[in-house]
Amino acid sequence: SAVISQKPSRDICQRGTSLTIQCQVDSQVTMMFWYRQQPGQSLTLIATANQGSEATYESGFVIDKFPISRPNLTFSTLTVSNMSPEDSSIYLCSVFLGQSSYEQYFGPGTRLTVT
Amino acid sequence: DQQVKQNSPSLSVQEGRISILNCDYTNSMFDYFLWYKKYPAEGPTFLISISSIKDKNEDGRFTVFLNKSAKHLSLHIVPSQPGDSAVYFCAASGGGADGLTFGKGTHLIIQP
Repeated sequence: SAVISQKPSRDICQRGTSLTIQCQVDSQVTMMFWYRQQPGQSLTLIATANQGSEATYESGFVIDKFPISRPNLTFSTLTVSNMSPEDSSIYLCSVFLGQSSYEQYFGPGTRLTVT
Repeated sequence: DQQVKQNSPSLSVQEGRISILNCDYTNSMFDYFLWYKKYPAEGPTFLISISSIKDKNEDGRFTVFLNKSAKHLSLHIVPSQPGDSAVYFCAASGGGADGLTFGKGTHLIIQP
């Protein structure tokens, strides 16, 4: 498994501002992902964070709104830009270690409230 | 359009009895199915998974059954314990580099 930490654990932000969430893993991993869980909803994949190249975004998510950096194999950031109340969610990063059963390991999440 | 569905938002089971959580999917391309457990203020924790070529996988008190023709899987917890009270998510993977597709979760409550 992997130990994953996220910063901040929670934040309350004003509409129109941006927040950068950090994800740190205790070992080098190839695949990192970012998910969002809106209130009462399932976890939804935002993007795959690729080391050394641009992130791969899922339908409905764009780079201008959710820029992602992946400077090395243990760290990634997700920025939520120009926030609105609809961005209030839990944001989670996860890693895939290559097991044949495809499980991913998740960080504790960042709870974001936009007022 | 939800590709992974958990139709029971909550389930209450007596301690010591069997808990059965259900999940349906629509995408035939999914290769692996996974169950996660989530406590409040924590990230999801991996529990058990099953390959699409199998129909059963067991790990201690947890067993996952897959009925591929019906596109249905279930998680059995026997016997249920108070610490099992949590939200359980069903997830599916197309393999390797793919992210996971999650259901909305089932809140399992184990009653003493």
